Amino acid sequence: ETGVTQTPRHLVMGMTNKKSLKCEQHLGHNAMYWYKQSAKKPLELMFVYNFKEQTENNSVPSRFSPECPNSSHLFLHLHTLQPEDSALYLCASSPAGGPDEQFFGPGTRLTVL
Amino acid sequence: QKEVEQNSGPLSVPEGAIASLNCTYSDRVSQSFFWYRQYSGKSPELIMSIYSNGDKEDGRFTAQLNKASQYVSLLIRDSQPSDSATYLCAVNRGGSTLGRLYFGRGTQLTVWP
Repeated sequence: ETGVTQTPRHLVMGMTNKKSLKCEQHLGHNAMYWYKQSAKKPLELMFVYNFKEQTENNSVPSRFSPECPNSSHLFLHLHTLQPEDSALYLCASSPAGGPDEQFFGPGTRLTVL
Repeated sequence: QKEVEQNSGPLSVPEGAIASLNCTYSDRVSQSFFWYRQYSGKSPELIMSIYSNGDKEDGRFTAQLNKASQYVSLLIRDSQPSDSATYLCAVNRGGSTLGRLYFGRGTQLTVWP
């Protein structure tokens, strides 16, 4: 396993629930990312944080709200999700938000009922 | 035009053979290129990165990059059943999209004993 951890690993929620995904990296990196992986589709970048600042929002609906309190922690707050939001949500980190290698956490398997 | 294209496969090779995985990308100014391996139900694991034209070898893996042809490949020598997975090609375009990785849909590889 990599030095990127995610909790919870599995999450089932109703459309009216509010939940949060947590990611922590122990690699000393300065950039963190949220990706969504749905069946039959390529990995989709959602958000990029570089030195705690959001540098990219890939047209993600507002029902997904990221938070990056420091370079080691990243959250994804979820509210009023839709069934089509069911997917594997992956966190990644890299030394800096440049053309360098990204390392993924184990992911959170989200099911929206 | 898709940013990163891969043959979806499945690619099936016998144990001990060479598996050849291919990837093309659309943006000529792309800077860095990565191969990830993803086992079913798991997150992507970085196995190779390549930044300049030519070959890069790491154990049984060789990445080949040809920027003029916008083509990157991964060769797996002496394939083992444990290599059976989906292989994702990822490209960093640099510039204003620095830090963003564009992923292909992945090629499913099966190595049979």
